[in-house]
Amino acid sequence: QQKVQQSPESLSVPEGGMASLNCTSSDRNFQYFWWYRQHSGEGPKALMSIFSDGDKKEGRFTAHLNKASLHVSLHIRDSQPSDSALYFCAASEQNNYAQGLTFGLGTRVSVFP
Amino acid sequence: DMKVTQMPRYLIKRMGENVLLECGQDMSHETMYWYRQDPGLGLQLIYISYDVDSNSEGDIPKGYRVSRKKREHFSLILDSAKTNQTSVYFCASSFAPTSQNTLYFGAGTRLSVL
Repeated sequence: QQKVQQSPESLSVPEGGMASLNCTSSDRNFQYFWWYRQHSGEGPKALMSIFSDGDKKEGRFTAHLNKASLHVSLHIRDSQPSDSALYFCAASEQNNYAQGLTFGLGTRVSVFP
Repeated sequence: DMKVTQMPRYLIKRMGENVLLECGQDMSHETMYWYRQDPGLGLQLIYISYDVDSNSEGDIPKGYRVSRKKREHFSLILDSAKTNQTSVYFCASSFAPTSQNTLYFGAGTRLSVL
């Protein structure tokens, strides 16, 4: 079973609209969470990290973490065509250096005009 | 400029041939990684390197080996490549081993083993 599960698998959003992505973990050892974005033909790029309960806002992007339920979400406000990409949720354990980051399977976001 | 560079970007090999994928970074990061990305499987960790000649297996190391002789350079070697090693391979680096450090990825090498 995937330790990091993302939903939905894909999402279509009108330009200017709000995109909401979800991520849950089945491993209570995960303490730190990231959102990565991958445009077609490129490598993943870190969008934002969140390590504490609550909201974290960076520009049009807001992440929310609930450690009790191991649920992370990402909300993209005022979606732009350049936001069309594959979004990964990733997690890591505290002090487990051998594991690197564990990634979910991704949510594909398409922004249409 | 903070960059992870992978060479080559595209590679076609025949089954049984040896494959060398190369990765460099200009950030003096201690830690480097090799991942592969496959549809339906996401990104899977092959190897981690903590520094020169200090490497550790990831989740799927079978069929791969790595070499790190300089901090800025990390190679992935496939001895006698197999068709199921057809994939997109990503190298990444971070300042230190994660827990809280961001990974910086290269653009990937698309490998086809025929």
